[in-house]
Amino acid sequence: GAGVSQSPSNKVTEKGKDVELRCDPISGHTALYWYRQSLGQGLEFLIYFQGNSAPDKSGLPSDRFSAERTGGSVSTLTIQRTQQEDSAVYLCASSLSQTNTGELFFGEGSRLTVL
Amino acid sequence: AQSVTQLDSHVSVSEGTPVLLRCNYSSSYSPSLFWYVQHPNKGLQLLLKYTSAATLVKGINGFEAEFKKSETSFHLTKPSAHMSDAAEYFCVVSGSGTYKYIFGTGTRLKVLA
Repeated sequence: GAGVSQSPSNKVTEKGKDVELRCDPISGHTALYWYRQSLGQGLEFLIYFQGNSAPDKSGLPSDRFSAERTGGSVSTLTIQRTQQEDSAVYLCASSLSQTNTGELFFGEGSRLTVL
Repeated sequence: AQSVTQLDSHVSVSEGTPVLLRCNYSSSYSPSLFWYVQHPNKGLQLLLKYTSAATLVKGINGFEAEFKKSETSFHLTKPSAHMSDAAEYFCVVSGSGTYKYIFGTGTRLKVLA
């Protein structure tokens, strides 16, 4: 597709279960970002990929969170042993540029609800 | 280090009246500045960006913003609000040569009929 695609759009899970969220960026975009948006909050940076490598994982809130990117394209964010505080919208963005002047293109997000 | 402050969490305007959404930034380097809009249950969309060219930046849907270095501000304006402008708006700063984008906490714009 032409834009950033995220799946699932909605996920309801039970506390303690693992979840995987997928992001398919715009073709050719080397930079990929994951953000978390909690209700009424701004965007919280989670991780940045340049190609397949993640030079900045500083925003991952705990070791229950991990992410990978394969083939310089699709990325998966995995949350293990989910907790209620993980409930949020997880947004993925990609960019053609690896510097600060590039526009970020966002997907519509994956809304995670942990019961 | 960079930071950004959106001075109003909520703004209400009547349809047809001007819009002003305020943003102040802090940056150790020449910043790039952006405004994004998020409609309900949608991703963020770029409205406009400043990257050290003209200080008055025009964006989509009639929005514009002025970079004022002396005031460290990048306020978003529109002469006449439309009902479709109701959304959440985010001011974003990024430092020169970096990959990091710092988002403000957002301003929810309500447009009254």
